[in-house]
Amino acid sequence: DAMVIQNPRYQVTQFGKPVTLSCSQTLNHNVMYWYQQKSSQAPKLLFHYYDKDFNNEADTPDNFQSRRPNTSFCFLDIRSPGLGDAAMYLCATSRGGGGPNFGPGTRLTVT
Amino acid sequence: GESVGLHLPTLSVQEGDNSIINCAYSNSASDYFIWYKQESGKGPQFIIDIRSNMDKRQGQRVTVLLNKTVKHLSLQIAATQPGDSAVYFCADHPRTLTFGKGTMLLVSP
Repeated sequence: DAMVIQNPRYQVTQFGKPVTLSCSQTLNHNVMYWYQQKSSQAPKLLFHYYDKDFNNEADTPDNFQSRRPNTSFCFLDIRSPGLGDAAMYLCATSRGGGGPNFGPGTRLTVT
Repeated sequence: GESVGLHLPTLSVQEGDNSIINCAYSNSASDYFIWYKQESGKGPQFIIDIRSNMDKRQGQRVTVLLNKTVKHLSLQIAATQPGDSAVYFCADHPRTLTFGKGTMLLVSP
């Protein structure tokens, strides 16, 4: 089945230790998104790629970076995780302006 | 600033009842709206969408109503089942997807 895959599902990292979260898709969608979702809150958009064009939200901290080496893969890099970065990170894809399809998420714990 | 929000944080219903979840938006430029269902520990799941040139759209057991005059949309779930228990988000898509705060639907047997 066509889908959005996130690895790992659970990630534990130490305070200040760089971490990378991965997302892949078999939908061949041209738009990929990264959202951060903290407990009991709505998902918050961090950035998205429209094809190769990177679009950063104005309030996304510089600590968060992203890479999209090809259509199928997108990575979220957190350069120096703080305790406040513990959250569920959701990857989503869409074709153009259509409704995004979400992956299962990666739950990040910072110790 | 622009926002998408829901009126009630928690809605409790009995199995078999109809559920109505409401959502208000403030961005007049919004032309595409989506309802998502999110179960604990999972990513949001697309339920139904509606574009601004429509007032109503029906799916399987779900109906979305859009009132552009008052910038309000609702999700109606018919014959609610325990498996419908989840958090429901409305989201608008003028440029990128912006989520409202979410309503938790609790269905008791």
